[in-house]
Amino acid sequence: GQNIDQPTEMTATEGAIVQINCTYQTSGFNGLFWYQQHAGEAPTFLSYNVLDGLEEKGRFSSFLSRSKGYSYLLLKELQMKDSASYLCAVSSGNTPLVFGKGTRLSVIA
Amino acid sequence: NAGVTQTPKFRVLKTGQSMTLLCAQDMNHEYMYWYRQDPGMGLRLIHYSVGEGTTAKGEVPDGYNVSRLKKQNFLLGLESAAPSQTSVYFCASSYSGRDSPQETQYFGPGTRLLVL
Repeated sequence: GQNIDQPTEMTATEGAIVQINCTYQTSGFNGLFWYQQHAGEAPTFLSYNVLDGLEEKGRFSSFLSRSKGYSYLLLKELQMKDSASYLCAVSSGNTPLVFGKGTRLSVIA
Repeated sequence: NAGVTQTPKFRVLKTGQSMTLLCAQDMNHEYMYWYRQDPGMGLRLIHYSVGEGTTAKGEVPDGYNVSRLKKQNFLLGLESAAPSQTSVYFCASSYSGRDSPQETQYFGPGTRLLVL
C-alpha cells in the first residue's frame, strides 16, 4: 500500500513564500503530482515530478527527492486567490493515483 | 470542448433509494475514474475503467457499481443509498494510465449527494 502525509492546514501572508511538504512511502514509484482545489471546485493539475530536483513554473515550484520519499510545493509572491487546498498524489506501479488528504492553505492580508 | 461533465450537480436521496451519476468526457480519453471526497479524508477512488467495457475496483468500492458501455461515458450507481454515502463525487479522465504532465487526470465539477 501507499502512505502519503501532508499537513492539514497552513496559513501564510499575502506576498510571502510558503512551502507545503509531502512525504510518501510506496514501492514502484513512478512520479508525483500536485493539484490545486479551490473550495467547492474540482482539483486542477499544477505540477508533475518524476526525477529528483526542482521544477519551476511561474510562481509555483515543485521539488522531489525520490530517495527520501519527499516532495514540496513552493508558492512565491502569495496572492489571496492562492487560498485553496493543495493535493499531493503519488503514482506507483500500474495502479491509479493515490491522493494525500490535502493541505488547506489560507492566505491572509 | 466541454471536458468532463457530471450530472446531476446536486441530489438529495432517502435511505434505500437508488440513483445513477453520469460522467461524460469529450477528450477521447481511455481511462476514467470515480472518486468520493469527504472532509478530512481526501479523494478516495471508488472504481475506475481502463477502456470501454472494462471496470476495476478502487479503494472504497462497496455499495457502488459502475458501467462503461461507451468510451465517453462512465456511470456510477448506488443501488440502495445509505447516509454514509453522503459525499461529493468527482469523476475524472486521463488519456492513458502512463504518468506525465500531458496525461494528467482532468476532473469534472462534482456531484453533491446528500442521503437522509
